Amino acid sequence: GAVVSQHPSWVICKSGTSVKIECRSLDFQATTMFWYRQFPKQSLMLMATSNEGSKATYEQGVEKDKFLINHASLTLSTLTVTSAHPEDSSFYICSASPATSYNEQFFGPGTRLTVL
Amino acid sequence: DAKTTQPPSMDCAEGRAANLPCNHSTISGNEYVYWYRQIHSQGPQYIIHGLKNNETNEMASLIITEDRKSSTLILPHATLRDTAVYYCIVRGGATNKLIFGTGTLLAVQP
Repeated sequence: GAVVSQHPSWVICKSGTSVKIECRSLDFQATTMFWYRQFPKQSLMLMATSNEGSKATYEQGVEKDKFLINHASLTLSTLTVTSAHPEDSSFYICSASPATSYNEQFFGPGTRLTVL
Repeated sequence: DAKTTQPPSMDCAEGRAANLPCNHSTISGNEYVYWYRQIHSQGPQYIIHGLKNNETNEMASLIITEDRKSSTLILPHATLRDTAVYYCIVRGGATNKLIFGTGTLLAVQP
């Protein structure tokens, strides 16, 4: 149990285009989902926390107009990288906390974004 | 959240115990110690967590010092598949955010 999926697993896009990444909790309902970014040879950096039905809370330094997060249901959150540029190329990882277990957090497999 | 300090890298022979240390000297009373690991190009995987008592599960043991200022994750019989970056994270209070530090790259050698 407690599986989190991400789609796509990798994406290549041209500079200036927008890319949407989906995060799904497959066998549980997640009231809270988190989005992280990881550059090569670096640690995970928390970007934002999203709660179902409300606006996401962004970490300091993360542009909310560039990284649009929608958490419209208890099993799906999406991250849209708007007007992507090469410096947005990174590994994007989501995680989800079950509604029944606030302290647990399960991670998705990640999405590799490459912006040309 | 309290900050953690871990060695950047460690080696361990296959079949031997791997002992990964973590310092969290500023931990407060209601904060837990969590351990996750990340195998290359995958999402992090939960290992174990504890408050003040030692904990054990099918993956590992967690030893927390009495003053709670440090802890050790023990993988009793390391295998090549345990090669990963291991993150020690302190979390508690009203937040369920996980703030990742730099972690320890454990290399299990054949």
